[in-house]
Amino acid sequence: NAGVTQTPKFQVLKTGQSMTLQCAQDMNHEYMSWYRQDPGMGLRLIHYSVGAGITDQGEVPNGYNVSRSTTEDFPLRLLSAAPSQTSVYFCASSNYLAGGLSYNEQFFGPGTRLTVL
Amino acid sequence: GQQLNQSPQSMFIQEGEDVSMNCTSSSIFNTWLWYKQDPGEGPVLLIALYKAGELTSNGRLTAQFGITRKDSFLNISASIPSDVGIYFCAGQINFGNEKLTFGTGTRLTIIP
Repeated sequence: NAGVTQTPKFQVLKTGQSMTLQCAQDMNHEYMSWYRQDPGMGLRLIHYSVGAGITDQGEVPNGYNVSRSTTEDFPLRLLSAAPSQTSVYFCASSNYLAGGLSYNEQFFGPGTRLTVL
Repeated sequence: GQQLNQSPQSMFIQEGEDVSMNCTSSSIFNTWLWYKQDPGEGPVLLIALYKAGELTSNGRLTAQFGITRKDSFLNISASIPSDVGIYFCAGQINFGNEKLTFGTGTRLTIIP
C-alpha cells in the first residue's frame, strides 16, 4: 500500500492564480481531511469528508473548495491564491464509524509546501 | 478557533536525557493524542489516550491523560538522535468524529 499520497510536493503560485492540490489514499478509508500547518500554529483543519459525496467545513475553510467524487481521492482547490495561503498542506485519512467509541488513527500524507507570491 | 497550548515550544537536550512536555486546553477532550513529525514528513501517531487519568507507554514514551480532561503530558526517557522532530498533542471531543484540534508543537533538538 502506498498509504496517503500528495502531489505536488512543492508549488509556487502568483497571487490570483488557481490550482488543485491532489490527495489519494489506497486504504479504503471513509474519512479524509485537509490541514494547513503554519509556524507556531500547529495544524488547522480546512475541510473534511466522511465519505464519497459528503464534505464539510473545518476551522479555516475560506478560500478553499473540496469535492469527494470517489473514496480514494480528495482534491483541495484554491480558486484565487493569496499570500495568506502560503503554508504546508497535509491530507489525512482514516476509517470512520459515526458514534464509534474510539479514535480511528488518521494517516497523514507527506505534505505540499505552497508559496504564494 | 480553539488551539491547544503546548509547552515548551522548543527543547535542546543532550542524548540520554529525559524529556517532558505538556499540553493544556480550556475545553474538555474525550481523547488525547500525541503525534511526532519528522522533517519534511507528515505527523505520525505515537500514543492515543481515552480515559481521564490513563497512563500509556509506547517503548520509551509515556503519556498521561489529565484528570481534568483538559491536559495531557508526554515523557521520553533516555533520548536518542532519532527522537529529533516536532511533537504535537491533539484532542478529540466526540467519539467517532475524527475532527482533531492540534497543539502548537514542541520542537526537540538533541545536542551532540
